[in-house]
Amino acid sequence: AQTIHQWPVAEIKAVGSPLSLGCTIKGKSSPNLYWYWQATGGTLQQLFYSITVGQVESVVQLNLSASRPKDDQFILSTEKLLLSHSGFYLCAWATGGQNTLYFGAGTRLSVL
Amino acid sequence: GDSVTQTEGQVALSEEDFLTIHCNYSASGYPTLFWYVQYPGEGPQLLFRASRDKEKGSSRGFEATYDKGTTSFHLRKASVQESDSAVYYCALSGVPGANTGKLTFGHGTILRVHP
Repeated sequence: AQTIHQWPVAEIKAVGSPLSLGCTIKGKSSPNLYWYWQATGGTLQQLFYSITVGQVESVVQLNLSASRPKDDQFILSTEKLLLSHSGFYLCAWATGGQNTLYFGAGTRLSVL
Repeated sequence: GDSVTQTEGQVALSEEDFLTIHCNYSASGYPTLFWYVQYPGEGPQLLFRASRDKEKGSSRGFEATYDKGTTSFHLRKASVQESDSAVYYCALSGVPGANTGKLTFGHGTILRVHP
């Protein structure tokens, strides 16, 4: 069975500080990987997707970046956090060519 | 562009009540339609999906039927339990076979079931 692990579970960071969030999937070879963001009480918005190692496509510009250093790992980062970055960050996977997403447990980010 | 409109805000029910959460969509062709459920502090979980007109999706007593004529995918359950309390999202994927993973989500409906 596939498992998806996100880290950390929660972060409290200062405005202007750097950020790195991670996601690892086990039990699935060459998955498509995705980052979604959810504002508190809001809907889900796609940020990035990656269909292979080393390739990441940006969907919206939010002063964030993403990388896929390994087949099973997806990293979300920024060098300088903004207040508007607060929210719930979700990593998801899908089988290539399929459109059903399976989400991780998420990381709660508070920027103060 | 694609859009999903679902019952706004909160639905408050008592145990054993009948549940309906409305979902209407706007998209070209035959999008795949989904219902996801999100419990506090967790990521959304797939309830079920449907890809063709008149196809019924179902799971855990919840069901919805793809209706292209009315562009709807309403979520129903005959008898809710307190454990069903969660946020429910209707979503669509407009491009079959694409790798972009772009789902268009509704704004979510909070279900609160009282014992």
